[in-house]
Amino acid sequence: GAGVSQSPRYKVAKRGQDVALRCDPISGHVSLFWYQQALGQGPEFLTYFQNEAQLDKSGLPSDRFFAERPEGSVSTLKIQRTQQEDSAVYLCASSPRGQEADTQYFGPGTRLTVL
Amino acid sequence: LAKTTQPISMDSYEGQEVNITCSHNNIATNDYITWYQQFPSQGPRFIIQGYKTKVTNEVASLFIPADRKSSTLSLPRVSLSDTAVYYCLVGDRPSGTYKYIFGTGTRLKVLA
Repeated sequence: GAGVSQSPRYKVAKRGQDVALRCDPISGHVSLFWYQQALGQGPEFLTYFQNEAQLDKSGLPSDRFFAERPEGSVSTLKIQRTQQEDSAVYLCASSPRGQEADTQYFGPGTRLTVL
Repeated sequence: LAKTTQPISMDSYEGQEVNITCSHNNIATNDYITWYQQFPSQGPRFIIQGYKTKVTNEVASLFIPADRKSSTLSLPRVSLSDTAVYYCLVGDRPSGTYKYIFGTGTRLKVLA
């Protein structure tokens, strides 16, 4: 079946612009994660959804970052007033049941470049 | 905050076995250990997952000692196409969150 998809794959924004990044998880997956991966670094946790509930947003770096998953499937990560330090790859992952034994399946990521 | 460390890089020759260790001292009782492979411009790809002792699948083995404070990914007979960055992933449940922590990543280079 289809894996996790993300769009756009590449996004260039001018500093101060707002951006919205979309994640389509694997159908039926309960859990959805967002990660940020800076160049040459490992991914870092941003936020976690179980169905439509955002249960953990402890990794969001500032109040300019906002994520939603209103119907428990597609999720959007929004970054307001982008800054150069927001330049990174944003990865989305989904897992079936929201349990510790679940495997997270990752999308290809969206590479955001803020000029 | 949990810290998960790996060697920065490793070189190997084709056909050799490669072992990559991850240290995760603060792993919680219920957390599993997952290993991923990542190629440039791609998302991490699942390799193997385990909780304790040894797990083997068609591409790798995972060794986890009794104290679970570390784990070792074993790749048998690597090929050039195994050149990639390898990450371990563990939960950060002791901090009371749903957070997951990636290891620092090991850049494996396979030489002909």
